[in-house]
Order: sequence, then structure tokens, then C-alpha cells
Amino acid sequence: DAGVIQSPRHEVTEMGQEVTLRCKPISGHNSLFWYRQTMMRGLELLIYFNNNVPIDDSGMPEDRFSAKMPNASFSTLKIQPSEPRDSAVYFCASSRLTAGTGELFFGEGSRLTVL
Amino acid sequence: AQTVTQSQPEMSVQEAETVTLSCTYDTSESDYYLFWYKQPPSRQMILVIRQEAYKQQNATENRFSVNFQKAAKSFSLKISDSQLGDAAMYFCAYRSLTGTASKLTFGTGTRLQVTL
Repeated sequence: DAGVIQSPRHEVTEMGQEVTLRCKPISGHNSLFWYRQTMMRGLELLIYFNNNVPIDDSGMPEDRFSAKMPNASFSTLKIQPSEPRDSAVYFCASSRLTAGTGELFFGEGSRLTVL
Repeated sequence: AQTVTQSQPEMSVQEAETVTLSCTYDTSESDYYLFWYKQPPSRQMILVIRQEAYKQQNATENRFSVNFQKAAKSFSLKISDSQLGDAAMYFCAYRSLTGTASKLTFGTGTRLQVTL
């Protein structure tokens, strides 16, 4: 089975531009998570969805960030307008809703650089 | 809120030797998972080992084992016969078992160097 698929792997953009990161979770997984990783703050949860419904978005830094999950197989994280401090690696992860093994499966991450 | 603490920012071990990475956590819950994830330079997050809190037996996966002390809220990772490929960042993580699927809370990580 394919793992969690993220795109793009690398994105370089200029301050003020809109950035859209995409994620396809593992088929059959109905929980999806967006994490951000920086040297200063480590791994932070931005938002997570259960059955396509946002459950906790308290980690979303500010209104410039938005996330959607229109269906079970696709999610986007959008930053508009982007700022240099948004430079980070953004991970998408998925898991089963019920307990199971409890593990989160991670994508390879999208490295964002905002100039 | 649950917190996870890794007090060792960096560790070093010689090849073939054993190293232990420390992790403590804070929670008021009784049912939860604990994990160790490895992040090599490729940045992929790879599950190393998991422990269910209701299990008293410490989890083991080949050269990797944990020392789970529930009362002390401690969850250390032991790597035996260290290999060059073990060099990576290691993250301890907590996940609640209460209710529906919940988030994974990570520690700050320990960078492991493996020397010849």
C-alpha cells in the first residue's frame, strides 16, 4: 500500500505569495494531522481532522493559515500571505480513527522556504 | 495537557556499543500509547517502537527495547549493538487512548551520533 503522499517536496517562494501544501492519506485512515517542524520549536501540531472534520486547530499560528479536508483522500494546508518565519518542514500524517496500533504514519514532508 | 520531555539534546555512542535515550512524560490519564520515532537526515519519520500503557511487559524490536516505568512516567529507549545507520534524531511521543483518535505529542528530540 502507498504511504502518506505529500506534495510538493520542496517549495521556494517569495514573501507575500500564497503557498498550498497537499496531502493524500493512507487509504482507510480517517484521521489526518498536519505538523510543522522547525529548529526553534520542534514538531508542532497545527491541526487534525477526524472523518474530514477539523477537531483541533489550536495550533494554527494565525489567520494566514488554513486547512481543508474536502474528502477522505485529500487535504490541503494553505498559507496566504506567506512570511519568512513560515519557513519550515510541514508533515502530514494519518492514522485509523479507532485505537488500533495507535501509530501515526508520516509523509516525507514538504520543505518550505519563504524568501 | 500532556507534555513529553527529552533532557538529552545530543548523545554519542560507539559502533557496537549500547546507548540509552531518556524520556519522561506528564499525564493524568491511565490509557495511552508511547512511541519512539527516528528521523534520519532524509527527514522521514520512522516508527522505532511502541508501548501500550496497559502492558507491563517492555516492548522489544530487534536491537531496540524500552524501559517503561508507568508510575515514574518514564519511557527510555535502549539501542544495543549500535550501527552507523542508527545515527538520527530520536523523538519520544505520547498519544492518548481516551475517546476518538487524538494527536501525537512529541518531545524535543535527541540527536544520536554513532562513531567508529
